[in-house]
Amino acid sequence: GESVGLHLPTLSVQEGDNSIINCAYSNSASDYFIWYKQESGKGPQFIIDIRSNMDKRQGQRVTVLLNKTVKHLSLQIAATQPGDSAVYFCAERDNAGNMLTFGGGTRLMVKP
Amino acid sequence: ETGVTQSPTHLIKTRGQQVTLRCSSQSGHNTVSWYQQALGQGPQFIFQYYREEENGRGNFPPRFSGLQFPNYSSELNVNALELDDSALYLCASSLYEGNTEAFFGQGTRLTVV
Repeated sequence: GESVGLHLPTLSVQEGDNSIINCAYSNSASDYFIWYKQESGKGPQFIIDIRSNMDKRQGQRVTVLLNKTVKHLSLQIAATQPGDSAVYFCAERDNAGNMLTFGGGTRLMVKP
Repeated sequence: ETGVTQSPTHLIKTRGQQVTLRCSSQSGHNTVSWYQQALGQGPQFIFQYYREEENGRGNFPPRFSGLQFPNYSSELNVNALELDDSALYLCASSLYEGNTEAFFGQGTRLTVV
């Protein structure tokens, strides 16, 4: 498959450790945020979302934190597994609702 | 796996040619958005179609055009291809009224030579 993100920031973690991936967004009018996972040769896969009226949301092994004051989003992955290795993108959507603006992405590498 | 399918998966075209990419949206979704993803970057919004009309456009020239059909499937057309058009083209479907997440297809890898 093709390689996604040849020159992206990389986070390398040991299997079983927790991972934290950070993202700064640009538009203070954005009201909806999504984290996507993209594996080589595939399209982005939805992980978790959060609306601007919340500051934390939990899913299965994942937690998203939103700090609107500093326009910062983070994705926490608990007990990281080799299958979590991928490129992770945050995306914001404005209140017009018709486009997602993606961040630059972070490559997560999980060492067994 | 999402229910969004794109065709073809890979395509090679010559500079100056025209290309049509296709997308079938997930069942129950009425909105299709197209994105361009250059190698090493995040996806960039091209445009969105809702009710067979363009419903928002990113910073792409008019030679990028699209269609949406009554069954909500969509086409992306690119005329006068340039080398910089080489990228992964992604289609995402969503439910406009639900204001919820968008699900992506696997993409079409376009190479312009």
